[in-house]
Amino acid sequence: DTGVSQDPRHKITKRGQNVTFRCDPISEHNRLYWYRQTLGQGPEFLTYFQNEAQLEKSRLLSDRFSAERPKGSFSTLEIQRTEQGDSAMYLCASSRRTSGRVGEQFFGPGTRLTVL
Amino acid sequence: DQQVKQNSPSLSVQEGRISILNCDYTNSMFDYFLWYKKYPAEGPTFLISISSIKDKNEDGRFTVFLNKSAKHLSLHIVPSQPGDSAVYFCAASLSLNTGTASKLTFGTGTRLQVTL
Repeated sequence: DTGVSQDPRHKITKRGQNVTFRCDPISEHNRLYWYRQTLGQGPEFLTYFQNEAQLEKSRLLSDRFSAERPKGSFSTLEIQRTEQGDSAMYLCASSRRTSGRVGEQFFGPGTRLTVL
Repeated sequence: DQQVKQNSPSLSVQEGRISILNCDYTNSMFDYFLWYKKYPAEGPTFLISISSIKDKNEDGRFTVFLNKSAKHLSLHIVPSQPGDSAVYFCAASLSLNTGTASKLTFGTGTRLQVTL
């Protein structure tokens, strides 16, 4: 069990550029979640996948955001035409469908995005 | 609409004493509650959880109490240790009897400082 990994850990970009983040969940975890955390706030749900199917999207996820999980393994989160308001920590988490502890999600270290 | 609230942004406790962190929620449909601990530059780490069918769950130095009628839960840490200094997030989920949760709704966090 190597934990959830995210890449890159930090990303600085200029407004209007596109960025893509990657998340590798714990192997055998079939659920994968994306959250966003801004300063002074708790993580806010963006979207989640069960295997390769995207089952729920938050209204926070504007049309500029897209997430994929091809083959039900790693996931990518892309932000197009970034805005300064997109600056945040993007967290990925994974869980097992039959987890012994309902709701327990294992989080990665996050990708900190700064939009200049 | 903040469905999960942590009204104390910070708490300072002496080593060896009890730390009590509080959390209130508004959505009566939530049926599973979790506490996560977060260190700087790391993702949240699961600490302890409680189902709505219980009013107390204990794990070592950590105990979570749930008062459904008041829509209130608390985390007790006894005795507090300097290594407990971190930001603590309360989270709630809807398990909907499926064995897992689709997403977590987090509070804004309480920064705990355990002093010597």
